[in-house]
Amino acid sequence: GENVEQHPSTLSVQEGDSAVIKCTYSDSASNYFPWYKQELGKRPQLIIDIRSNVGEKKDQRIAVTLNKTAKHFSLHITETQPEDSAVYFCAASIGYSSASKIIFGSGTRLSIRP
Amino acid sequence: EAQVTQNPRYLITVTGKKLTVTCSQNMNHEYMSWYRQDPGLGLRQIYYSMNVEVTDKGDVPEGYKVSRKEKRNFPLILESPSPNQTSLYFCASSSPRSSYNEQFFGPGTRLTVL
Repeated sequence: GENVEQHPSTLSVQEGDSAVIKCTYSDSASNYFPWYKQELGKRPQLIIDIRSNVGEKKDQRIAVTLNKTAKHFSLHITETQPEDSAVYFCAASIGYSSASKIIFGSGTRLSIRP
Repeated sequence: EAQVTQNPRYLITVTGKKLTVTCSQNMNHEYMSWYRQDPGLGLRQIYYSMNVEVTDKGDVPEGYKVSRKEKRNFPLILESPSPNQTSLYFCASSSPRSSYNEQFFGPGTRLTVL
């Protein structure tokens, strides 16, 4: 069945350095790729998303890249700060939005070292 | 205040005792979904709904039922709960009319089935 693999499962970086989280998906019909951040004890929140007609999207310190041929997409966080510490989830959906079947990765726990 | 609410927030029950977790949103969103979150497995979609009376299976629908009789409500029903349904459950909503395609998550319901 459809699958989204996410790596690494844990990531520790020095404050100010960059962090990269990678995901691969199995269903070539996937068109929508959101990223969610979940702080400890809180609900997930969308931080950035990308659709298949775009190869890269950036929002301040966060960027997402998509390679449809290879079926993988990545989250890049630059100039990391303590508040970036959280669990990050990637996801893939066949629809062009969150309004359809969506498969999540298993999550990456990001820790920022002071 | 725009929000998604879930009730109850915490529930301990016994195997086989039917229960319903309610979800309500006040943002007039068309789309609603239910997820379960388990350690190491990330978020898994149970059911989703694109509008009133329109529901569809997500990745892990077995053992669950939903209904969407009104736009604002999307209850999750466990007819005969089992211990493997012990989990953290999130409801979420979104709208195709929004330029920023964000799913708004509820606060979560922690369910324990003994």
